[in-house]
Amino acid sequence: GAVVSQHPSRVICKSGTSVKIECRSLDFQATTMFWYRQFPKQSLMLMATSNEGSKATYEQGVEKDKFLINHASLTLSTLTVTSAHPEDSSFYICSATETGWVEQFFGPGTRLTVL
Amino acid sequence: EDKVVQSPLSLVVHEGDTVTLNCSYEVTNFRSLLWYKQEKKAPTFLFMLTSSGIEKKSGRLSSILDKKELFSILNITATQTGDSAVYLCAGTNNAGNMLTFGGGTRLMVKP
Repeated sequence: GAVVSQHPSRVICKSGTSVKIECRSLDFQATTMFWYRQFPKQSLMLMATSNEGSKATYEQGVEKDKFLINHASLTLSTLTVTSAHPEDSSFYICSATETGWVEQFFGPGTRLTVL
Repeated sequence: EDKVVQSPLSLVVHEGDTVTLNCSYEVTNFRSLLWYKQEKKAPTFLFMLTSSGIEKKSGRLSSILDKKELFSILNITATQTGDSAVYLCAGTNNAGNMLTFGGGTRLMVKP
């Protein structure tokens, strides 16, 4: 199956700093990438959808100025959590898919802890 | 608004038991229903169901879709402690590849 990597797997940062998370498709061209957030014991909540070369589409309630998404190439998307606060602490998961596919392939996730 | 609902929320069984997990969906222009298993990290893919009434099977796991009743079940027979996880179902539509996830069923299998 298609492989998606995510980096870093875990990050701890101070309140007010920015954190960048990378999502890479390793063996296919990710025309679309999705970013999810998962709080403890809850399901995955879609934050935004990004198509390569276009601006991301954010779900209602997700601040686009706080969660900056860049999908500049067919293999890389980045999520930057700007001015992170403790309430941003969560498990962030990306997934990727190619045009015509139904299935999304998930990255291993990034656990963010903001102190 | 698309909606996917899973039941039960949680389940505790003993090894060897059989469990049935439920997933109902309301997805506009529905295309497929997917099942995932999530342990400590990101979800891992189990099944994708597109056609009604055709059972998909992988070892002790099987799943089937009923497009008339907008429902899917995931069966696990002869459960093992390694089956303990959160099981997620998600619906997708023809408009794109967006997944709408259900809340998940947390399964715990005791020795």
